[in-house]
Amino acid sequence: DVKVTQSSRYLVKRTGEKVFLECVQDMDHENMFWYRQDPGLGLRLIYFSYDVKMKEKGDIPEGYSVSREKKERFSLILESASTNQTSMYLCASSRQEPYEQYFGPGTRLTVT
Amino acid sequence: AQSVSQHNHHVILSEAASLELGCNYSYGGTVNLFWYVQYPGQHLQLLLKYFSGDPLVKGIKGFEAEFIKSKFSFNLRKPSVQWSDTAEYFCAVISGGATNKLIFGTGTLLAVQP
Repeated sequence: DVKVTQSSRYLVKRTGEKVFLECVQDMDHENMFWYRQDPGLGLRLIYFSYDVKMKEKGDIPEGYSVSREKKERFSLILESASTNQTSMYLCASSRQEPYEQYFGPGTRLTVT
Repeated sequence: AQSVSQHNHHVILSEAASLELGCNYSYGGTVNLFWYVQYPGQHLQLLLKYFSGDPLVKGIKGFEAEFIKSKFSFNLRKPSVQWSDTAEYFCAVISGGATNKLIFGTGTLLAVQP
């Protein structure tokens, strides 16, 4: 079974802190993704990566950056956390083809 | 920009009722279509997918969906729901050449009453 793990299930941070969310997949997938999930808005793509050290902006990249130094690991960074970044963050991975994405359990981040 | 619409935001059914959740997408070319489900406290997981071939696709747990190209629709159906189907359901689409970028609908919260 594909496994996508995320470093924390719940995280509470203060406004202005730098926040790191880690994601690891164990199936040698080329593609990795970061989404945020908010009620009534569905899932929105923040960033994705199709190879080591490669990244592309998704639909809502502002306030976020990413890092992919190894194939299995994809990090999401909030440079200076703000209250409007309180959300559920989901990581996913997939092969180049087929396109099915596998999701991690999510990190619920609260910024106070 | 491509978009996915799920018109039912919140659906309440009794057990054994039939289910149909609507999904419409805006892209006119080749598409790959998905339904994902998120049970309370669990990961998002794939329910079913359509890439090509038979437009009626069957997924896990008795769910099926029909791709109707002329209507840009991919509605999810189940003839008889169970309490355990209580979950949030997301329709998603990848359009041709979009390098695996999934576009998600806003989700439908289904509550099945025993």
